[in-house]
Amino acid sequence: GDSVTQTEGLVTLTEGLPVMLNCTYQTIYSNPFLFWYVQHLNESPRLLLKSFTDNKRTEHQGFHATLHKSSSSFHLQKSSAQLSDSALYYCAPSSSGSWQLIFGSGTQLTVMP
Amino acid sequence: ETAVFQTPNYHVTQVGNEVSFNCKQTLGHDTMYWYKQDSKKLLKIMFSYNNKQLIVNETVPRRFSPQSSDKAHLNLRIKSVEPEDSAVYLCASRVWGSQDTQYFGPGTRLLVL
Repeated sequence: GDSVTQTEGLVTLTEGLPVMLNCTYQTIYSNPFLFWYVQHLNESPRLLLKSFTDNKRTEHQGFHATLHKSSSSFHLQKSSAQLSDSALYYCAPSSSGSWQLIFGSGTQLTVMP
Repeated sequence: ETAVFQTPNYHVTQVGNEVSFNCKQTLGHDTMYWYKQDSKKLLKIMFSYNNKQLIVNETVPRRFSPQSSDKAHLNLRIKSVEPEDSAVYLCASRVWGSQDTQYFGPGTRLLVL
């Protein structure tokens, strides 16, 4: 079945430094979709960005990620972290043939002043 | 703007009691989900419904039973709660295709004493 591995646990950064949260996945489907969801404190998860296309960069709210099927990766990046980026980030693979998303264990990003 | 509504927000009960949670979405989507988010923030799918038909029933204890009266409503009943049921239960609605996105409700926090 599908599975996903994220940067484990807690990532702490100083404001202004670059962000990179790793995500690798395994799927039985040849055409996977990849998602990043973000959950701020006392809120529910919401979609941050997604990709259906191999080797194409997708961007939203200053974050970007590129789906690389050759390495089964979909790392989340941002050039300069902001305090408001502090949140829990989930990577999730899916496909057109699957009813469900398999959420990774989540990476807690904390940005310090 | 909230489009997935859940009640109650919070529920405290004792072991062995029965509880029910409600979810309604006003987005017109056909697919809805129940997730359990535990104290470690692991997000696990419990049930998937498409147009009020159960599609995916992950391996959850039999004391959990979902119910859908129409595609906009999805409820969850727990027949006899146990301490490990303490968690946040998140309902989500999904749009498919190029706009593929899950929209989460605010969640119901359950505490079993």
